[in-house]
Amino acid sequence: KAGVTQTPRYLIKTRGQQVTLSCSPISGHRSVSWYQQTPGQGLQFLFEYFSETQRNKGNFPGRFSGRQFSNSRSEMNVSTLELGDSALYLCASSLSGTGGWNEQFFGPGTRLTVL
Amino acid sequence: KQEVTQIPAALSVPEGENLVLNCSFTDSAIYNLQWFRQDPGKGLTSLLLIQSSQREQTSGRLNASLDKSSGRSTLYIAASQPGDSATYLCAVRGLYGGATNKLIFGTGTLLAVQP
Repeated sequence: KAGVTQTPRYLIKTRGQQVTLSCSPISGHRSVSWYQQTPGQGLQFLFEYFSETQRNKGNFPGRFSGRQFSNSRSEMNVSTLELGDSALYLCASSLSGTGGWNEQFFGPGTRLTVL
Repeated sequence: KQEVTQIPAALSVPEGENLVLNCSFTDSAIYNLQWFRQDPGKGLTSLLLIQSSQREQTSGRLNASLDKSSGRSTLYIAASQPGDSATYLCAVRGLYGGATNKLIFGTGTLLAVQP
């Protein structure tokens, strides 16, 4: 079974630009979550999508947005990039349930560098 | 507000040694706790998931325990090998906040196993 895939793996952008990252969950998984990882703040939750609806959102500015498609693939978008947006962006997928047995699996991440 | 702490921040041991990594959390109302491994610049690999009703889980040389009432979990690695060198992260999924798979991560323990 294929794991979680993320594209692209690396991105270099300049301040003010916008960027779109993509995540394909494990087949059959309907929940997709996004995280930002930086050396200073560690791993922080951005948002979660389930059945094309945002189910939860972290404490990030409105420049960060996302969506989920009917095939459970998800994209996140960052507009008006700032230097501080440089980070590893990780996507996690899990089955639809929210019970204690629900394990989450992460993709390899997209490394975003903002110059 | 849930806070997750991992001690120590870094650990260096000789090959073959048994070791324990610690994770503590402030709010015991959790669905589960998950341990991950992260190699430099890579995504997260799920190691073990412990549901809130469980006391421990084992996988190969790894054993994770959970004491929900005291807000603590430990990851025991037996007979450590250089290939175990990585950052180990624990994460909890809280009971409250609606239906969500949001994880709160600790800051990680950087493990180096010397040959």
